Amino acid sequence: GEDVEQSLFLSVREGDSSVINCTYTDSSSTYLYWYKQEPGAGLQLLTYIFSNMDMKQDQRLTVLLNKKDKHLSLRIADTQTGDSAIYFCAESMGDSNYQLIWGAGTKLIIKP
Amino acid sequence: DAGVIQSPRHEVTEMGQEVTLRCKPISGHNSLFWYRQTMMRGLELLIYFNNNVPIDDSGMPEDRFSAKMPNASFSTLKIQPSEPRDSAVYFCASRMTGIYGYTFGSGTRLTVV
Repeated sequence: GEDVEQSLFLSVREGDSSVINCTYTDSSSTYLYWYKQEPGAGLQLLTYIFSNMDMKQDQRLTVLLNKKDKHLSLRIADTQTGDSAIYFCAESMGDSNYQLIWGAGTKLIIKP
Repeated sequence: DAGVIQSPRHEVTEMGQEVTLRCKPISGHNSLFWYRQTMMRGLELLIYFNNNVPIDDSGMPEDRFSAKMPNASFSTLKIQPSEPRDSAVYFCASRMTGIYGYTFGSGTRLTVV
């Protein structure tokens, strides 16, 4: 079945770049998403990428998609303490699109 | 826009009691989702409404769970009777068809003792 996998933790120094990785299994995925969840809050859509794109950049965020390897990454440049959160990768299933398959989330820890 | 509004933010109840969680989606959004989040199971989709009609309720754990959407601006998720294993954070999310990604509410943290 479909599966999305992420590392559970990532620790980086403030000011460095963070790279959060995700692998997925459904080759028919149409959209892939990155969500951010801060403590006690809901999930906030950060960005998404269509499956026929390789890269998408939005200010400090860069999303890279390797469709051959089914690998998605989120790079956060100049990581700040406000970036501390759990980051979820998700893929949409085929044509239905409403159903998202979620990763377990990567907790980003910022060291001073 | 106030976003997706959920109430209550926290609920503590005794086992066997009925619990009702409420959600007001963003005005104009025609899809609504109820999710449950736990450490063990992560995010689970419970039910999906489109234009107030339940489309997919395959994620509803059992008959103790029910959800309604009487109109475009309100939905409820009810658990009766509640059990300790229902303790979780319940999220409501909405979106407009064709717009990708959901907008989540802040969630209801449910504790059943």
